Amino acid sequence: GNSVTQMEGPVTLSEEAFLTINCTYTATGYPSLFWYVQYPGEGLQLLLKATKADDKGSNKGFEATYRKETTSFHLEKGSVQVSDSAVYFCALSGNNFNKFYFGSGTKLNVKP
Amino acid sequence: EPEVTQTPSHQVTQMGQEVILRCVPISNHLYFYWYRQILGQKVEFLVSFYNNEISEKSEIFDDQFSVERPDGSNFTLKIRSTKLEDSAMYFCASSEEGQGWETQYFGPGTRLLVL
Repeated sequence: GNSVTQMEGPVTLSEEAFLTINCTYTATGYPSLFWYVQYPGEGLQLLLKATKADDKGSNKGFEATYRKETTSFHLEKGSVQVSDSAVYFCALSGNNFNKFYFGSGTKLNVKP
Repeated sequence: EPEVTQTPSHQVTQMGQEVILRCVPISNHLYFYWYRQILGQKVEFLVSFYNNEISEKSEIFDDQFSVERPDGSNFTLKIRSTKLEDSAMYFCASSEEGQGWETQYFGPGTRLLVL
């Protein structure tokens, strides 16, 4: 079956530090992979996506590469800001009607 | 930029009461979804809807739940007789047909509290 595993949080970093949030998946077929971000009190916002192996999604300085050989889609950012503090969700979609499977979410706290 | 909207943002209800959660998907989208997130837990799929019928539903989506697209813009989730364990954040999402169909856009959510 399909599932997503994310690293446990919270992750606490100082401003300008390097960020990695690990995400691995199991899936049948060829899923698309996503990162969504949830800022305090708000809904889920699409951060980036990759639809096939070796694709790199990027947005707002965040990147993630779809690695089929390691079944991973780790989120990275070279220099985090306080405004990046949020909960980050890794997700996959794997069938024609696009049912999403979410990871448990990783809370990121960035301190000035 | 077009966005999915949901109303109300918060709803408090008594156990056993019916609630209707409303969503307005992005206007040219044809696939619609409901998810829920119980506090501290994963976001879970409830149901998908396409061409005026349910495409897929999870085991959570039992007879107490129903969805409807009553007009050309709204998409609703009804819980007929709420239970304490229905307390959660409910997210509506939509996606387009054709290129980009795999991406879902989520609304801000409705926080439901059942007392």
